Amino acid sequence: SYELTQEPSLSVSPGQTASITCSGDKLGNKYAAWYQKKPGQSPVLVIFQDAERPSGIPERFSGSNSGNTATLTISGTQVVDEADYFCQAWDSSTVFFGGGTKLTVL
Amino acid sequence: QVTLRESGPALVKSTQTLTLTCTFSGFSLTTGGVGVSWIRQPPGKALEWLALIDWDDNQYYTTSLKTRLTISKDTSKNQVVLTMTNMDPVDTATYYCARTRTTPHWYLDHWGQGTLITVSS
Repeated sequence: SYELTQEPSLSVSPGQTASITCSGDKLGNKYAAWYQKKPGQSPVLVIFQDAERPSGIPERFSGSNSGNTATLTISGTQVVDEADYFCQAWDSSTVFFGGGTKLTVL
Repeated sequence: QVTLRESGPALVKSTQTLTLTCTFSGFSLTTGGVGVSWIRQPPGKALEWLALIDWDDNQYYTTSLKTRLTISKDTSKNQVVLTMTNMDPVDTATYYCARTRTTPHWYLDHWGQGTLITVSS
């Protein structure tokens, strides 16, 4: 089994930069993806292959992955970005999710 | 436009078998590098990946539930079916299907709306 650890919560003010981290053993040797999940909605892929943005995802979302930590950065955070964020990696033909970080923007 | 939609019973009883169907459009499960996964999220908890079937009919399961899960596909109907045996109240969750890209790594780029499954004791 492979474990991904995220901080349970993060609070930022509108316009600030939010950095959400995901830790796992040698995570930098794998690819990471990130999903945004709002209440009552399906998850949305915001980053794949560590730093790639799917079409339609705003440029303020960026990602990095090195060592044991992957990071999702939201620059100029907006109120609409308030959501749960889950990291995801793949190891031994299994998908693993982090426990999620609740981002509050106020 | 890629879409996926889950269907199944909203309520099942303990020990029963759950059958979920994912009906999709906008892509083909015969295309290399593509698969469909099932994921669930219990109320207030994290996402949990359950299973994947890929374009080549390879099936993959989460270790903890492997003995209870079966995933299959019907390419002609654009459907993927997941069965989970011996349901328990702890299996109460919203179940999602998602298109999964398997190259260069596994990630889930399009998700269905999800279906809430409640298990009664």
